[in-house]
Formats: sequence, structure tokens, C-alpha cells
Amino acid sequence: QSVLTQPPSASGTPGQRVTMSCSGSSSNLGSNYVYWYQQLPGTAPKLLIYRSNERPSGVPDRFSVSKSGTSASLAISGLRSEDEADYYCAAWDDSLSGPVFGGGTKLTVL
Amino acid sequence: QVQLQQWGAGLLKPSETLSLTCAVYGGSFNNYYWNWIRQPPGKGLEWIGEVNHSGSTNYNPSLKSRVNISLDASKNQFSLRLSSVAAADTAVYYCARRGSDFWTNYPPDYWGLGTLVTVSS
Repeated sequence: QSVLTQPPSASGTPGQRVTMSCSGSSSNLGSNYVYWYQQLPGTAPKLLIYRSNERPSGVPDRFSVSKSGTSASLAISGLRSEDEADYYCAAWDDSLSGPVFGGGTKLTVL
Repeated sequence: QVQLQQWGAGLLKPSETLSLTCAVYGGSFNNYYWNWIRQPPGKGLEWIGEVNHSGSTNYNPSLKSRVNISLDASKNQFSLRLSSVAAADTAVYYCARRGSDFWTNYPPDYWGLGTLVTVSS
């Protein structure tokens, strides 16, 4: 049972805009930045978004985040086949004194 | 460019001790926290614990009784030991770096490639 809650799946067709949610509590998303990771099959998580809406070098601006209270959403616009992956949200948790993660959303590009 | 390279035994029997090491290349070893995170097959990510450059540790309470994370700052390496493993400890284990500033702690940014550890009799 993950501390952050994500829908298990999402899907879209090429060119579409898809969103996926991440829900937490006051001790994590409610008081700290959200991070998002992309995990391709058989690989390590790759940082996609940090400090709620900043992108590492090389991550296209098709990826964006909105955050309000104890929830956050990742939006992917102009969906591409290579976006098919698992997406995880994360945040620091003040109660745990450690990072917590969502269970992941598997994105399928139809 | 920061790189984390990890290694360790991939097949253990129940009750044995898991041992993994992660070497850090590039970037500063100081001013960061060095983490271990695991992912059971087909499941999500679970934080195990961390060590900072001075050797201070912080563990997930759910694993604290069995975990020891240490570092060798002279080699820019840190290690994980998890005792009394069982089948439920079968997972891909990742080493990772996370940062912080005066006000805020952040989740990891750089990750190792992962090591699949299977516990089976």
C-alpha cells in the first residue's frame, strides 16, 4: 500500500493530452514539493519533474505539473509512443522523515 | 554528470543477509543524502533508508530493525545490509541521491541502475 495514491492506468492516442493524478496528505504533498519519475520497462526511474514544476535538462515542456493542496497532476501533451511507461509521483514526508512514493500509473499509448 | 554504480549478490536464501554497495562518480559526495529504495516485482517504490556524508542515518521504521546503511567517504561509496531476508524482500534495489536545503528535503534525483535481489530457498 503506497503512501501516495495514483490511478493504476491511463491511456491516450498519439497527439492527445493525458493527465494522471497523485493524492497525498498534509505531511507530504500538502507541505512539500512533488516529484515525478518516468520508468521505462526494465530501467531505473528517471527524474521527470522536480520541485513541483521544474524539468531537468532534456525533458521536453510537453510534461507539466499542477499542484493544489494535497494533490498533484502530471500532464503530458502531444502524446508520443515513447511516452509509454510507468509514472511515479513522490514527495518528502515530514512524518516519516523520508521520501514517499505513489504506486505508479501505467501509461499506454494506443 | 553524476553516476551511481551498484553491485552485490543477487540470489539469497531465507534468513541470509543482503549486502549491496553503491559507488558515486561525479558531483559532490558531501551535502547530499545517499539512499536505498526498493521495488518488488510489478509493484511500487519503497524507501529503505539513507546516510549522509558524515555517517548519520535515517531508516524507514518498517525495516529499521533489519537495516544498516553505512558509508566509506574515502571511496565515495555507501552500502546497504538487510538481515534475515525473506521472500517478501525480493525486489530490485536502487541506490539514489537526494538533496536538501535549509528549509526543505527533496526526493531523489539521481538513481543507480538497480540490482535484482531474489530470496528463494
